[in-house]
Amino acid sequence: GENVEQHPSTLSVQEGDSAVIKCTYSDSASNYFPWYKQELGKRPQLIIDIRSNVGEKKDQRIAVTLNKTAKHFSLHITETQPEDSAVYFCAAKLVGNEKLTFGTGTRLTIIP
Amino acid sequence: EAQVTQNPRYLITVTGKKLTVTCSQNMNHEYMSWYRQDPGLGLRQIYYSMNVEVTDKGDVPEGYKVSRKEKRNFPLILESPSPNQTSLYFCASSLFSFGTDNEKLFFGSGTQLSVL
Repeated sequence: GENVEQHPSTLSVQEGDSAVIKCTYSDSASNYFPWYKQELGKRPQLIIDIRSNVGEKKDQRIAVTLNKTAKHFSLHITETQPEDSAVYFCAAKLVGNEKLTFGTGTRLTIIP
Repeated sequence: EAQVTQNPRYLITVTGKKLTVTCSQNMNHEYMSWYRQDPGLGLRQIYYSMNVEVTDKGDVPEGYKVSRKEKRNFPLILESPSPNQTSLYFCASSLFSFGTDNEKLFFGSGTQLSVL
C-alpha cells in the first residue's frame, strides 16, 4: 500500500520567515495530495490540495509544489504569523483505492 | 450548520467492555471514514465507507467494527477494547470519492478514548 513520509517532525521559525514541510510518497499511481492543519485541541482542516496534473498551487501565503518524478510534494508558508502554529499533515491517495494515507505530521511553531 | 458530530468527546472505559462511538453528518455525504491519531504516528485510517452498506478496511482495522445502515451515521464499535486502543479518534466525511472536485474531508471534533 501507499506509504507517506513527512519531514521534519518539528519546525520552529521566526515570525515573518518562511516554513517548508516536505513529504514523499511511495506509489507513483497516487494522484491527489491534500494538506491538513490541526490547531491544538481542534480537528484537522483542509488548507490546500494538489492533483498530479498540476505542479504548483497557491492560496495567498500558502503554496504546494509537486514533483511526480521524485514522488515528493511540499508545503510552503510565507510571511509566517503566530496563528500558523499548528500540526500540519500531508496525505496521498492511491488511484482506484479510496484510502487516504497521512504522513506523521509536522509541529510548526512560530516564534514571535 | 453543516457538520460532523461525534459522541462522546471523552470516554474512559475498562478492558473488555464493549463501546460504541457515534458519528453523524448532516451534509448528505457518501464517503465516511474513521481515523485514530497517536503521537508520532499521525492519522491512521481504521475503516471507511463509500455508501450505505458498503464498508472497507483501512490500515489498522483490527479490534474495530463499523456499520453503515443509514447514509448519515457511521458508528465505530469496539467489541472488546484493550489498552492499545487508547487514542484520539476522528470521524470524517466527504461528498464523494477522492479524486473528484468533492474530496475535501470534514472531520468531527474527536473522541479521546482511554482504555484502562
